[in-house]
Order: sequence, then C-alpha cells, then structure tokens
Amino acid sequence: GNSVTQMEGPVTLSEEAFLTINCTYTATGYPSLFWYVQYPGEGLQLLLKATKADDKGSNKGFEATYRKETTSFHLEKGSVQVSDSAVYFCAPTAGSSASKIIFGSGTRLSIRP
Amino acid sequence: DGGITQSPKYLFRKEGQNVTLSCEQNLNHDAMYWYRQDPGQGLRLIYYSQIVNDFQKGDIAEGYSVSREKKESFPLTVTSAQKNPTAFYLCASRTGHYSNQPQHFGDGTRLSIL
Repeated sequence: GNSVTQMEGPVTLSEEAFLTINCTYTATGYPSLFWYVQYPGEGLQLLLKATKADDKGSNKGFEATYRKETTSFHLEKGSVQVSDSAVYFCAPTAGSSASKIIFGSGTRLSIRP
Repeated sequence: DGGITQSPKYLFRKEGQNVTLSCEQNLNHDAMYWYRQDPGQGLRLIYYSQIVNDFQKGDIAEGYSVSREKKESFPLTVTSAQKNPTAFYLCASRTGHYSNQPQHFGDGTRLSIL
C-alpha cells in the first residue's frame, strides 16, 4: 500500500542555520504534496503546496522541492528563526487516489537563540 | 473569516462516560475528517464524511461514533468502549473528498481521563 516516511526528529538547530527536512513516499501515480506546520497546542496549518515537479512552492521563507527519481520531498529554509520551532508534517496525496491524504509522523524542530 | 471551530479546547471524561467533541466549519466544504494525535505521533484517521448524511470509518474507528446531519457540523462521540481516549483530537475539512486540495484544521480538543 501507499506509505510515507518522514525524517525523524527532534531536529535542533541554532538560529540562522539552514534547515532541510526529508519525506519519502511510495505510491502509484503522481502525488500532490502538502507541508503542514503545528505550533504547540494548535492544529495543523498549511505551510506549502506543490502539485508539479517544477513547482517548488514557497511561503514564509520555506521552500518545498520534489525529486522524482527518489520520490522524495524536501522542506528547506535558508535561515531559521526561533519562531520556526514547531512540528512539521508532510502529506502527499496518494497519487491517482487523491482522496486519501497520508500524513508523515512529523518532525519536531527546535531552534536555539 | 472562514474556518473550523472545535470545542471545547479541553475535555475530561469519567470512567464509563460518553463525551462529544464539537466541530463546526463555515468554509462550505463537503468533506470533513476526525483525527487522533498521541504525544509525539502523527495523525490517525478516525472517521470521515464525504457529504451530509454519509460517513465512513477510518483506521481507528472502534470506540468512536459520528454523525453528519448538517454540512457545517461533524461531531465526534468518544464512547465508553474507547479504553484509551486520552489524546489530542483534530477536526479537518476539505472542499471535496476526491479533490487534490489540502485540508483545513481546527485548533483541536485535548481529552483526558479523570
């Protein structure tokens, strides 16, 4: 069946460091990709959406890239801030069966001042 | 502003008691979802509804029940049959179950056992 494997955390970085979080999936068809962010005690918020191989998607300094040859997604930010501390979830739709969104297990990110 | 409202934010359940979590959306979305999140874990699907008066079991439906009498509302009941109900419950909606659009989430309800 379709599955998604997300980079395990916690990830701890210093402020202004470069961030990359990886997410791999197995599915038939070509997926849409969503990255969500969850701040403490809150629900999930959509951070980025990418639906094409050449659509990197960007928001709040974050960028989503997709590498078809390895079926992996990457969430990147060039210079993280303390306010970026949160849990990040990747959620590819299951390719041709777009009805089922599969969530990764989440990556907890902590940024040191 | 459109969005999803979950209430209450915190809820306590006594042994043998059923409790109901509220989820209301004013986004005019057809599809609604309930997820359970345990500490340090991802999201697990409890139930979903594609349209009014229809709902389907997700991956962990045992001990839970739902109804979808109105498009805007999708309440979740945690029954006494759910022996480990302590968790963070998230409600979500989407334009349609078969769309490729992202889900919108509420702020969650944290359920604990007294």
